[in-house]
Amino acid sequence: GQQVMQIPQYQHVQEGEDFTTYCNSSTTLSNIQWYKQRPGGHPVFLIQLVKSGEVKKQKRLTFQFGEAKKNSSLHITATQTTDVGTYFCAALPRGGADGLTFGKGTHLIIQP
Amino acid sequence: DAGVIQSPRHEVTEMGQEVTLRCKPISGHNSLFWYRQTMMRGLELLIYFNNNVPIDDSGMPEDRFSAKMPNASFSTLKIQPSEPRDSAVYFCASRASPGQGLGEQYFGPGTRLTVT
Repeated sequence: GQQVMQIPQYQHVQEGEDFTTYCNSSTTLSNIQWYKQRPGGHPVFLIQLVKSGEVKKQKRLTFQFGEAKKNSSLHITATQTTDVGTYFCAALPRGGADGLTFGKGTHLIIQP
Repeated sequence: DAGVIQSPRHEVTEMGQEVTLRCKPISGHNSLFWYRQTMMRGLELLIYFNNNVPIDDSGMPEDRFSAKMPNASFSTLKIQPSEPRDSAVYFCASRASPGQGLGEQYFGPGTRLTVT
């Protein structure tokens, strides 16, 4: 089935450092979403990207969709302790029906 | 808005017992999704419904799993008989309308299932 690879699996950063997680697919994607899950919580929607090369920003978070629509990234500038959690990408392959495939997630651990 | 409601929040049962997980989507939402989350396999889509109709159940692991959505405000996921490897957190999510994977999914708090 559709595979969405997400790296790294874990990322330790000092508070104030930047953080980036990457999502890659071997096939062209129709669209991609990003979710955040706090420890012990449930996934919460962050953003949706649809267009080739699209870039969206939410305060310190920058989301990109690759030109070929096969990869995406989430970058956090100057991390804060509130950024702790697991970040998931979720994608629909081009031609797919409606069900999203989630990446395994990147666990962000912040050391104060 | 109460959000997506799931019950029970925690379930501990013995192998071989029947387990029923319940979900109430956000009022007015037309798509409902059931997911399973484990450390090993991550977040897996089990089945989803559009307008109460099951669209894709290819993620349901085996015949022991079944899901129903008798009306727009209620869905169940049943495991019969349960096995220890079914231990996981089961999430229900709803979305306003169907459509090629587009649109925010709102997740419930999840049900943590432990099968001993």
